[in-house]
Amino acid sequence: TQLLEQSPQFLSIQEGENLTVYCNSSSVFSSLQWYRQEPGEGPVLLVTVVTGGEVKKLKRLTFQFGDARKDSSLHITAAQPGDTGLYLCAGERTFYNDMRFGAGTRLTVKP
Amino acid sequence: EAQVTQNPRYLITVTGKKLTVTCSQNMNHEYMSWYRQDPGLGLRQIYYSMNVEVTDKGDVPEGYKVSRKEKRNFPLILESPSPNQTSLYFCASSGGRSSYEQYFGPGTRLTVT
Repeated sequence: TQLLEQSPQFLSIQEGENLTVYCNSSSVFSSLQWYRQEPGEGPVLLVTVVTGGEVKKLKRLTFQFGDARKDSSLHITAAQPGDTGLYLCAGERTFYNDMRFGAGTRLTVKP
Repeated sequence: EAQVTQNPRYLITVTGKKLTVTCSQNMNHEYMSWYRQDPGLGLRQIYYSMNVEVTDKGDVPEGYKVSRKEKRNFPLILESPSPNQTSLYFCASSGGRSSYEQYFGPGTRLTVT
């Protein structure tokens, strides 16, 4: 079982729709990061959230870290075809000095 | 340009033939790591290094070796590759002594027949 569970695994929507991707765990993380990966490339960091309850906005993307630092969500407003990609959440466990990744949410935005 | 480079990008090999995938970063980062990515499993950490001559096992270290003789390089060695090591491999680096905010290389697609 994954330490970080992402849902949904696949998401196909029309341009202009809103969507939310979830990243859940029973573990506490010192920070949580969201990456986006395009085919044939490595993941690229979108945002890092550190404080429980923290909300960060990146244009049409809104990221939230749960109060207990066990979960996070990514909300995209008015999705565009350019948002298509694999979205990965990753939690840093300070004590273990490692990063654990979710399996990812593959988003397709149709024009 | 700040980057993490990996070579080769694609490799097809046979069972048991030793291979090395190189990784180099030009950002003077202390932390480097290797991941493998498999469908439905996400990225799983193989090995990581917090500094020169300091390496440690990640989640799936069996069948792999690494070395960190220089700060910029972190090669991944498969002494005797097997078909279950067919995967997409990523090297990453981070500015701190942790996995915080990693920069990833472009990936190496390895097929072992």
